[in-house]
Amino acid sequence: GDSVTQMEGPVTLSEEAFLTINCTYTATGYPSLFWYVQYPGEGLQLLLKATKADDKGSNKGFEATYRKETTSFHLEKGSVQVSDSAVYFCALSDRGRGSTLGRLYFGRGTQLTVWP
Amino acid sequence: DTGVSQDPRHKITKRGQNVTFRCDPISEHNRLYWYRQTLGQGPEFLTYFQNEAQLEKSRLLSDRFSAERPKGSFSTLEIQRTEQGDSAMYLCASSLNLDGYTFGSGTRLTVV
Repeated sequence: GDSVTQMEGPVTLSEEAFLTINCTYTATGYPSLFWYVQYPGEGLQLLLKATKADDKGSNKGFEATYRKETTSFHLEKGSVQVSDSAVYFCALSDRGRGSTLGRLYFGRGTQLTVWP
Repeated sequence: DTGVSQDPRHKITKRGQNVTFRCDPISEHNRLYWYRQTLGQGPEFLTYFQNEAQLEKSRLLSDRFSAERPKGSFSTLEIQRTEQGDSAMYLCASSLNLDGYTFGSGTRLTVV
């Protein structure tokens, strides 16, 4: 079945460091891919998305490219800030199987802590 | 548009009691989803409504769980005879299409 595997955390970085959080997926069909961010005590916020192969999603300095050949959607940011500290979730939507459900399958999340 | 609202934010209940959570989606969104998130895990799908019709239920949704969405507006999720394993964050999300949801802040349930 559909699934997402993302890099184990926690990830600890100094401010202005480069960030990569790896995400790979397994899916039948061509899913849409997402990164969500969760701040302490809050729900999930959509960070970026890509709906087809080679699309690049970007937002707030974060980027991820939908790579069908490697079934990956790695999250990157060139210079992290303390305010980026949060849990990041990679997810895929089952719409690629022709489903109209739009169910999301999430990875386990990666805790990012950025120190000043 | 005030986003997706969930109530209450926190609920502590004794084992065996019934609890009910409410979700108010974004008004024009016809799709509504419930997810459950346990500590250190990603959210897991529970159920889905399109308008007032409940179209999909996960195997995670035992017969102690029931969800409704009367008139296709707000939704409620009820858990009967709560167990300690029900302790989790319950997230509601709504959408208008298949390319991304808006999540609420969640209801954190603690069963003692």
